[in-house]
Amino acid sequence: NAGVTQTPKFQVLKTGQSMTLQCAQDMNHNSMYWYRQDPGMGLRLIYYSASEGTTDKGEVPNGYNVSRLNKREFSLRLESAAPSQTSVYFCASTLDRGTYEQYFGPGTRLTVT
Amino acid sequence: SQQGEEDPQALSIQEGENATMNCSYKTSINNLQWYRQNSGRGLVHLILIRSNEREKHSGRLRVTLDTSKKSSSLLITASRAADTASYFCATDPRSSASKIIFGSGTRLSIRP
Repeated sequence: NAGVTQTPKFQVLKTGQSMTLQCAQDMNHNSMYWYRQDPGMGLRLIYYSASEGTTDKGEVPNGYNVSRLNKREFSLRLESAAPSQTSVYFCASTLDRGTYEQYFGPGTRLTVT
Repeated sequence: SQQGEEDPQALSIQEGENATMNCSYKTSINNLQWYRQNSGRGLVHLILIRSNEREKHSGRLRVTLDTSKKSSSLLITASRAADTASYFCATDPRSSASKIIFGSGTRLSIRP
């Protein structure tokens, strides 16, 4: 099993450009999450999908959109990138919402200039 | 604002010593988890303790939970160089059915 995979690993964007971060899991998990990690801030939840077909906002959703394409895949889109979105982005999944351990991908390091 | 806050923010100890990290949170929880993050990598789950549990062990890890004080501690015994990492607590608030909230982490350095 690959676990949780994320693409790309690194990306540099200019202000105003758009891009989609891809995430996939092969563990048949129901819930998936997108976090961003900034220095000294821990992880902050951007969006999550408790189950296939549902998505909800987290703590810092502004400037992002998500799609739960199917049970395996959960993508994060930046429509018009801003320097404040420079961060490391992690995707995670869990068997079910709330009370189960989360499995994390390796992260995408995004720089917006 | 963060639900969980770790203390200390950074900790440096000699190999072989024990390391203790603390986490405080604000609202009632269903459970609390600890995660480790090696530099440049994703988080790895270490241990989960439920709100009706007071102590849990896993190998060299010991976690305690005091719901009356809204706090938890993670003890790593007989530390090794490979334990150098950041450690995060994550809480599952009762008010939030679908998500857990991470603290800002403790950076642990093990000196040889």
